[in-house]
Amino acid sequence: GAVVSQHPSRVICKSGTSVKIECRSLDFQATTMFWYRQFPKQSLMLMATSNEGSKATYEQGVEKDKFLINHASLTLSTLTVTSAHPEDSSFYICSAIYPNQPQHFGDGTRLSIL
Amino acid sequence: AQSVTQPDIHITVSEGASLELRCNYSYGATPYLFWYVQSPGQGLQLLLKYFSGDTLVQGIKGFEAEFKRSQSSFNLRKPSVHWSDAAEYFCAVGARAGANNLFFGTGTRLTVIP
Repeated sequence: GAVVSQHPSRVICKSGTSVKIECRSLDFQATTMFWYRQFPKQSLMLMATSNEGSKATYEQGVEKDKFLINHASLTLSTLTVTSAHPEDSSFYICSAIYPNQPQHFGDGTRLSIL
Repeated sequence: AQSVTQPDIHITVSEGASLELRCNYSYGATPYLFWYVQSPGQGLQLLLKYFSGDTLVQGIKGFEAEFKRSQSSFNLRKPSVHWSDAAEYFCAVGARAGANNLFFGTGTRLTVIP
């Protein structure tokens, strides 16, 4: 069964709306969670690394104020796309790790901004 | 610099035929190598991984991969493909067993013909 749950699976909203995506590790405490973005027919691009209780580390070119990440507990990280615009439409995937284990991925969130 | 190359963007095979998906990597340290599979609209599922030891690793769903250090390759194979194997396959390399971001290849889309 799934070890990482991502919610919602699909979001359609108007431009200017803020959207929150949740990533939960179901049966383990994730020391680190990652947020990826995937454009159609392309690979995953790491957006940020999220460690519980500390600020997220963003990859170059990713706007911190645009993509807010909160990792309040060892089982939950959230990504908030603030004031979303059509160019933010994408597939967002989170992953979680436990020390010395491979990343477990969520099923992704399809975000469509009208 | 770290990079992963999957030379084949799209491969089509007949059901029951053998399959080999190519992956070449460039990494400055000892690589930890992974193959993930992604079905449409979903997250990534780990097929197999290589950390050390036997260079031929077995994974789920009948897949295997062979690590060849001299060729910087980690090709994925399956003796007999099933229609349900149609998906996108990603090769990835990381710094160590369970942490850090992964560097993904651009993926190979597998189509299976009945």
